[in-house]
Amino acid sequence: EPEVTQTPSHQVTQMGQEVILRCVPISNHLYFYWYRQILGQKVEFLVSFYNNEISEKSEIFDDQFSVERPDGSNFTLKIRSTKLEDSAMYFCASQAASGGLRYNEQFFGPGTRLTVL
Amino acid sequence: AQSVTQLDSQVPVFEEAPVELRCNYSSSVSVYLFWYVQYPNQGLQLLLKYLSGSTLVKGINGFEAEFNKSQTSFHLRKPSVHISDTAEYFCAPRRDTGRRALTFGSGTRLQVQP
Repeated sequence: EPEVTQTPSHQVTQMGQEVILRCVPISNHLYFYWYRQILGQKVEFLVSFYNNEISEKSEIFDDQFSVERPDGSNFTLKIRSTKLEDSAMYFCASQAASGGLRYNEQFFGPGTRLTVL
Repeated sequence: AQSVTQLDSQVPVFEEAPVELRCNYSSSVSVYLFWYVQYPNQGLQLLLKYLSGSTLVKGINGFEAEFNKSQTSFHLRKPSVHISDTAEYFCAPRRDTGRRALTFGSGTRLQVQP
């Protein structure tokens, strides 16, 4: 079965540094998402992306965050200047545009654990 | 906007016993409802979903859930749990039109004991 993949699995960075988290969504999917989960807390929505633009974002997704689909396969989340509170597990998800039994289902990647020191 | 409450943060249960994980939501619009499972050190996997139709939905690994519109609940059940069901379970509604982001509950840790 097709899977969403994410790299790296674990990223350690110094406060103030830029990080880029990478995701490869399922190939025929058109909606893309980033969520995060701070240790011991619930999963929180960050941003969704469709047709090469942000379709919605949460209040967490401030100017320090950006997303990009630089080519036909990758979907990236960039944090410009990391803070200690950005330490979390970041999940990418993708969803088919329409049709089929699994329409409306978001498929999640295994996550990238970001540790900001 | 919608919100979701998972009433139990932890549910300990013995192997082969039945279990119910509770989820209540509130929303001013119609919603779709999802249950996701997160095994230790892994990502999120869809267990089941309610979009429309029959209010009793069956998912993977023997789980099922019942949508109750009047009580705005979507409780997850399994008649007989296994050790391998030990995981964190998340209820997640989303709007049925427009905004597609999932709103996750705080999660329920199911701890199956031998």
